[in-house]
Amino acid sequence: AQKVTQAQTEISVVEKEDVTLDCVYETRDTTYYLFWYKQPPSGELVFLIRRNSFDEQNEISGRYSWNFQKSTSSFNFTITASQVVDSAVYFCALSEALRAAGNKLTFGGGTRVLVKP
Amino acid sequence: DTGVSQNPRHKITKRGQNVTFRCDPISEHNRLYWYRQTLGQGPEFLTYFQNEAQLEKSRLLSDRFSAERPKGSFSTLEIQRTEQGDSAMYLCASTTSGGNNEQFFGPGTRLTVL
Repeated sequence: AQKVTQAQTEISVVEKEDVTLDCVYETRDTTYYLFWYKQPPSGELVFLIRRNSFDEQNEISGRYSWNFQKSTSSFNFTITASQVVDSAVYFCALSEALRAAGNKLTFGGGTRVLVKP
Repeated sequence: DTGVSQNPRHKITKRGQNVTFRCDPISEHNRLYWYRQTLGQGPEFLTYFQNEAQLEKSRLLSDRFSAERPKGSFSTLEIQRTEQGDSAMYLCASTTSGGNNEQFFGPGTRLTVL
């Protein structure tokens, strides 16, 4: 069975500090996809990034960067120079690629990020 | 607005009543998912449709829950004989088939069972 663990339940930082969110996953599949979603106070989940299990290149998008390490089953997310608007709950999720149907997402418990001005 | 829409946004009901939620996916998306999110937790998968066919159901989906997607467009999720433990946010998501594409989520329906 697949599982996603986000050990940090809440992180509080002061604006302009960097913040790194940890994500550790478990799966028996060799082909899978990893996602990060943001859930702001309004409640709607917003897609941030998708990576497949064969692409271990780190990625940077503006102030966001992702570090995928297959050897440790981790897919960590860093927000550089945080802003108050980054305050939200961030979810890591896993989807197994070879399922007959569904490609359902298995989510971690989320990490609440509070950025103080 | 061409995103995923859900109605109602909030529903308060008394224990034992039936409730129905509606989800309208992005028009060209043939895959539709329902998830449930309780306070402080991540969303949990409930069920999935490919066009009008319901292809997978979680064991979380007891026999009091039923979902439909007639004609492969909008979907409804009905809960019969609601219990206080059903109180949660019910999220709908849609995507295209042909790979593990990102799912686009609606704003959710928050259910409170008194």
